[in-house]
Amino acid sequence: EPEVTQTPSHQVTQMGQEVILRCVPISNHLYFYWYRQILGQKVEFLVSFYNNEISEKSEIFDDQFSVERPDGSNFTLKIRSTKLEDSAMYFCASSSGTGTYNEQFFGPGTRLTVL
Amino acid sequence: AQSVAQPEDQVNVAEGNPLTVKCTYSVSGNPYLFWYVQYPNRGLQFLLKYITGDNLVKGSYGFEAEFNKSQTSFHLKKPSALVSDSALYFCAVRDITNTDKLIFGTGTRLQVFP
Repeated sequence: EPEVTQTPSHQVTQMGQEVILRCVPISNHLYFYWYRQILGQKVEFLVSFYNNEISEKSEIFDDQFSVERPDGSNFTLKIRSTKLEDSAMYFCASSSGTGTYNEQFFGPGTRLTVL
Repeated sequence: AQSVAQPEDQVNVAEGNPLTVKCTYSVSGNPYLFWYVQYPNRGLQFLLKYITGDNLVKGSYGFEAEFNKSQTSFHLKKPSALVSDSALYFCAVRDITNTDKLIFGTGTRLQVFP
C-alpha cells in the first residue's frame, strides 16, 4: 500500500541554524500539507500546497518557513533560522483531491529538536 | 470557525470492556469529521470518517463512531477494548472553506489495562 515517507526521523539542530525536512507524498497525490505537533499538544496546520504554490498558511507559518516541491516527488519544509519553540514533531500529509471523499494520508513525522 | 473538542485527556478501560472516546464539534455548514490514531513514535493513522449518510460509521481495527447532530458529537467507540488499542486518539474536522486542512482536537490518551 502506498504511503507517505519522511526523512529524517529525528533532526537535532542548534538555534539559528537552517533545517530542511523532507517528505515524499503518495505518487498520484496533488495536495500537500505540513502540520506540527509540539510535545503534548495538539496537531496544528502549518501550510497547504497545490500546483506549485501555497494554497493556505497558518499564523505559525511566518517568513522563517518555506515549502517547495523541487523535483516532482519530494515536498520540503525549510526553517531558515530555527528557534527553540520550533522543537516539535512535523508531519507531512498528502491527498488526491479536496473533495469530501478525499482523505489525507500522513507520514510518520520528523521530530525536530532545537538546542 | 470550525473546531473540535475532546473533553478527556485520558480514558482508562479494562481489556474486554467497551470504550468510548468523546468528541464534540462546532462547524458552520455540514461537518466532515475524522478520527486518527497515533501510536508511540508513529505518525497519524486514519481510523474513520463521517461525510454523510448513516450516523454509525465503521472504521479500522473494529472501531466505530456515532455521529449525533443534535448533540454535535462524534464519539469513537469499540465494543471490546484490546491492550493494543492503547494510543493517542485525535478527532478532527475538515475545514472545507479553503484547502480542506484538518483542524484537530487536543487528543485523548486511551489506556487499556489487561
